[in-house]
Parts: sequence; structure tokens; C-alpha cells
Amino acid sequence: GQQLNQSPQSMFIQEGEDVSMNCTSSSIFDTWLWYKQDPGEGPVLLIALYKAGELTSNGRLTAQFGITRKDSFLNISASIPSDVGIYFCAGFNKFYFGSGTKLNVKP
Amino acid sequence: DTAVSQTPKYLVTQMGNDKSIKCEQNLGHDTMYWYKQDSKKFLKIMFSYNNKELIINETVPNRFSPKSPDKAHLNLHINSLELGDSAVYFCASSALWNTEAFFGQGTRLTVV
Repeated sequence: GQQLNQSPQSMFIQEGEDVSMNCTSSSIFDTWLWYKQDPGEGPVLLIALYKAGELTSNGRLTAQFGITRKDSFLNISASIPSDVGIYFCAGFNKFYFGSGTKLNVKP
Repeated sequence: DTAVSQTPKYLVTQMGNDKSIKCEQNLGHDTMYWYKQDSKKFLKIMFSYNNKELIINETVPNRFSPKSPDKAHLNLHINSLELGDSAVYFCASSALWNTEAFFGQGTRLTVV
């Protein structure tokens, strides 16, 4: 199947710090989605991006759809303990997921 | 009101058995999906149905058979279960292909 390269694999940060993660692919995608998964739960949609160059915010979260349509990033500003979880990017031509970024926030 | 619901939440069964997982969505969506999440948390798409028609079948063993009796339901039947089938299976739905998808809570399948 298609590979979405998501980095970093894991992050350990202090509460209040900003976080950045990204996804890249060798293929073009029509849609990029960002999800968060808490333990024992299903992934929850954070942000959806539909146009190349689009920059969208959702509270402290900001995501961008790369101009080349082969990448996307997610930023979290002023992290808080409840941001802990695994963040996934997903791309549509066939709805593939990245390998996830595990975020740990130290109070 | 749960948007995408799966049953059961947990399923423990012996090797060789046949089992089914049910999924229902009350969002009026046209497209539904099944994903498998392994122990390393990697989410791999298995199947996708659009308006009851299979549109994605990602090299899944034919022991796995999805069934969509109507747009709101996509069930997963697994024959002759193997140890390697142990994983969390997620159902999801989206209004249209290529739009944001919403996930169920998952079914943790353990084959012993």
C-alpha cells in the first residue's frame, strides 16, 4: 500500500511548548486529514484540508496542505497535558494513514 | 447518539472460529470503511464501500468478507481466524469519498 511518512515518531515536550509534526508522500493527495487518537478510543478528526496551500486552524491547532499536494503539517501551540495522544495524518487518494506521532506533554 | 457504532467492543475467540463485527452509522453517509490497527498502532485500510458497492479491497486475505446490506451498515465477517488477526478493527464513514471520515470506537479482537 501507499506510504505516508510521518515524523517525528514521538515527542516529549514541556507544557506550554509549541509542537510541529508533518507528513510527506511521493504521491499527490486530494485531501489531507489530521486525527488524534486517545488510548482505547477511535481516531477523532481534528482538521480537514481540501485545497493545495490551504491553511486551517482549529483552536490551538493549525494545519496546512502543501502546495505540491504531497505534504502537510500540523502545529499545536501552547501544549497542555490533555494534548497527549497519538496524532495521525491521513491522505486521500485511497485514504491511507501515516504511522503516527506519539505526543507526551510534561506538566 | 453515537454516530458510528461497532459491536462488539471486545471479542475473544479461538483459532479456526468464524466471527462477525457489525458497524452502523446514523450520519446518512454514503461511504464506509474498515481499518485494522496493529500493536504498533499502524492503521491499515482494508475495505471501503460507497453506496453498498465495494470500491477498495486492499490485499486482504479472502477469509475477510465485508457485507453492506444497506448504506448505513458495513459488517465484517472473518472465517478461520488466525493468531495474526488479533488487532483492533475500526469502522469509519464519510459523507462522500474523499471527505472527512468519522470513526467508531473500535473492536478489539483477540484470537487465542
